[in-house]
Amino acid sequence: NAGVMQNPRHLVRRRGQEARLRCSPMKGHSHVYWYRQLPEEGLKFMVYLQKENIIDESGMPKERFSAEFPKEGPSILRIQQVVRGDSAAYFCASNDIGVSSYNEQFFGPGTRLTVL
Amino acid sequence: AQTVTQSQPEMSVQEAETVTLSCTYDTSESDYYLFWYKQPPSRQMILVIRQEAYKQQNATENRFSVNFQKAAKSFSLKISDSQLGDAAMYFCAYRSASGATNKLIFGTGTLLAVQP
Repeated sequence: NAGVMQNPRHLVRRRGQEARLRCSPMKGHSHVYWYRQLPEEGLKFMVYLQKENIIDESGMPKERFSAEFPKEGPSILRIQQVVRGDSAAYFCASNDIGVSSYNEQFFGPGTRLTVL
Repeated sequence: AQTVTQSQPEMSVQEAETVTLSCTYDTSESDYYLFWYKQPPSRQMILVIRQEAYKQQNATENRFSVNFQKAAKSFSLKISDSQLGDAAMYFCAYRSASGATNKLIFGTGTLLAVQP
């Protein structure tokens, strides 16, 4: 059973370009979470999606960031007009609600975004 | 809003010895979940141990155990018989048991070094 997949693992962009980060949840999981880890910091929640719906985007910056989780295909985190401050590791996690009370989230390996 | 605090940026332990990592949190909720995640140099987030707030018994997973003090809002991690492979960043995390979101709130982490 493949785990959470993220690609690319490393992404380099110049200021002003767009970054697209992809996340394929574990098989059978319909809930996806995105977290950002700035250098020397812990993970910060960004957005929580269920298939075709955004459930909680309270941690998402208001501008330039968007996320989707279509009916078919991976979840996409999109960052437009990247700036140096967007350089970070972006982690995706997935779970299936109700399987256990813990609703444990399984994490992908992360995408490290570097903005030049 | 809930917060998680890890007051030890770095810790060191001798191989085969025991070490305790501290975590405190702030919440007005009575039902929630607490987690410890390990992040080795590969940056993959690995769940180490979890605890439900309504369970008084401390969770244990092999060499890992927690000391959960609900009244004090404390959730420390004890690693017994430390091994070189335990060297990693350790994050404490909180998740509410109520509401529509399942987001994890992380502390800033403790970097654990294991000396041979």
